[in-house]
Amino acid sequence: ETGVTQTPRHLVMGMTNKKSLKCEQHLGHNAMYWYKQSAKKPLELMFVYNFKEQTENNSVPSRFSPECPNSSHLFLHLHTLQPEDSALYLCASSQDRRAGKDEQYFGPGTRLTVT
Amino acid sequence: KNQVEQSPQSLIILEGKNCTLQCNYTVSPFSNLRWYKQDTGRGPVSLTIMTFSENTKSNGRYTATLDADTKQSSLHITASQLSDSASYICVVSVGFGNEKLTFGTGTRLTIIP
Repeated sequence: ETGVTQTPRHLVMGMTNKKSLKCEQHLGHNAMYWYKQSAKKPLELMFVYNFKEQTENNSVPSRFSPECPNSSHLFLHLHTLQPEDSALYLCASSQDRRAGKDEQYFGPGTRLTVT
Repeated sequence: KNQVEQSPQSLIILEGKNCTLQCNYTVSPFSNLRWYKQDTGRGPVSLTIMTFSENTKSNGRYTATLDADTKQSSLHITASQLSDSASYICVVSVGFGNEKLTFGTGTRLTIIP
């Protein structure tokens, strides 16, 4: 495992449920990211936080709600999801979003299935 | 439109053989190019990162090349091992500072004994 952990690793939820994904990084980084990875599609960047401030939201539907209480923790709150939201959700962290060659370290992902 | 295309989509080779994965990109302005390895059920792990001025970089049995003129990169794996079975993702960084990453769809490599 890397210095980025994610829980749970697997999640099955109904369309009316509310759940949260958690990400924690132990690398002393200041930037954190949420990505969605669907089968046979490139990784899609969802949200970026730098020094706890959201700096990017790539037109993500409001049923996904991120929260970054500090530089080490990132949450993704889920509600009223659709079956097409089923995917692997990856969290990543990096030293500083504004720096060039900013290496991102990924967590193992949460496999989400919406029924 | 910024795009990264990888080929082949999937590849099966015998253990011990060499292979080369391809990445073509159309992004501007180019900042750097990375190759990631993603094992099944895991997050991507960085193998190499190259800037405009670098045309080759090695990491053990992995060697990446970059031709910034033709906007092509390759990842060469020598003496493949069963543990090399994974998806290999080419990622191109666009812009300088606050750069955006454009991901390829990956090549699924399977090593058979």
